Amino acid sequence: KAGVTQTPRYLIKTRGQQVTLSCSPISGHRSVSWYQQTPGQGLQFLFEYFSETQRNKGNFPGRFSGRQFSNSRSEMNVSTLELGDSALYLCASSLVSGALKETQYFGPGTRLLVL
Amino acid sequence: AQKVTQAQTEISVVEKEDVTLDCVYETRDTTYYLFWYKQPPSGELVFLIRRNSFDEQNEISGRYSWNFQKSTSSFNFTITASQVVDSAVYFCALSEADRDDKIIFGKGTRLHILP
Repeated sequence: KAGVTQTPRYLIKTRGQQVTLSCSPISGHRSVSWYQQTPGQGLQFLFEYFSETQRNKGNFPGRFSGRQFSNSRSEMNVSTLELGDSALYLCASSLVSGALKETQYFGPGTRLLVL
Repeated sequence: AQKVTQAQTEISVVEKEDVTLDCVYETRDTTYYLFWYKQPPSGELVFLIRRNSFDEQNEISGRYSWNFQKSTSSFNFTITASQVVDSAVYFCALSEADRDDKIIFGKGTRLHILP
């Protein structure tokens, strides 16, 4: 069974631009969560989508948004990029919603550099 | 408030030595889950273990073992007979039952296994 895939793996953008990251969960998984990892803040939860609905959201500004499609694939969008948005963005999938109920499986991440 | 502390930022040991990674957590909930994840240089988070707050039995999986002590709010991870492939960043995480299943990660411990 294929794992979680994220595209692109690496991305370079400039301040003010917007970016869209994609995540394809493990086949059959309906929950997708997004995390931001930076050296300073560590791993932080962004949001979770389940059955095309945002179920949970972390403490990030409205510039960070996401969506989930009927095939459970998810996209994350960051608008008006700032230097501080440079990070590794990790996607995780699970069968059902919530870390309590199911183990989350992580993708390799998208490394975003904002210049 | 929920919090996970991994006091050891970086550890180096010689191959075949045993090493213990410390994790201390804070929570007001009686029902919660604790996790350990491994992040190798490739960046992908690998799930190692999930333990609920009602199960204090220690667990052993091959060279890995976990010691969960509610009395000290600790969930320590020991690698026995370490190998170079164990070199990675290890994250301890907490999820509370009443917090919409969000996961809070510690800052991680970078483990170097020297040949």
